Amino acid sequence: DQQVKQNSPSLSVQEGRISILNCDYTNSMFDYFLWYKKYPAEGPTFLISISSIKDKNEDGRFTVFLNKSAKHLSLHIVPSQPGDSAVYFCAASDVGGGADGLTFGKGTHLIIQP
Amino acid sequence: DSGVTQTPKHLITATGQRVTLRCSPRSGDLSVYWYQQSLDQGLQFLIQYYNGEERAKGNILERFSAQQFPDLHSELNLSSLELGDSALYFCASSVAQGKTDTQYFGPGTRLTVL
Repeated sequence: DQQVKQNSPSLSVQEGRISILNCDYTNSMFDYFLWYKKYPAEGPTFLISISSIKDKNEDGRFTVFLNKSAKHLSLHIVPSQPGDSAVYFCAASDVGGGADGLTFGKGTHLIIQP
Repeated sequence: DSGVTQTPKHLITATGQRVTLRCSPRSGDLSVYWYQQSLDQGLQFLIQYYNGEERAKGNILERFSAQQFPDLHSELNLSSLELGDSALYFCASSVAQGKTDTQYFGPGTRLTVL
């Protein structure tokens, strides 16, 4: 049973436009969410996070939005650049619960077209 | 470069064999996490160690075991290997054991079981 779902395996966006990556979760105990970016032959790199007490967190070109009632979060990248082409993983954890590591989605492959 | 190192980069072995994957965390990090990424899957949390002690267990098979040594490096031992164990194995480290502590990932070890 997948608790974190990224329903779009891939997404193609033109350079300079906005990229929106989506993520849904089913476990209502999750209260901390992260996005990781992964290039081929490298490990995932932390991008941005958000606590459930917030609905938005911004860091430069990256903004994460959290809709707790819909159990949905999204990552916005504006403007998209060629170096943003990578696989993006959504991850979640239950901070107040047992130490279970992060629960990851399967990833979305973002392709930025020139 | 995340500062987390993993060896070997690639490993090819046969069913029934035993292998050891090694991870050196970032300098100063006390927690080590192991994750498995099978084909088309998200990263699955296996196990966490903190300062030499097992902290949390995820979906780790009984054929797999891990340990963290006094110098904080960690080893993941996989035995009685099966074809389905072929995957990317990532190690991550964080400064402490809190769930909001950023996990920094190594480049991974690609295991192929023939």
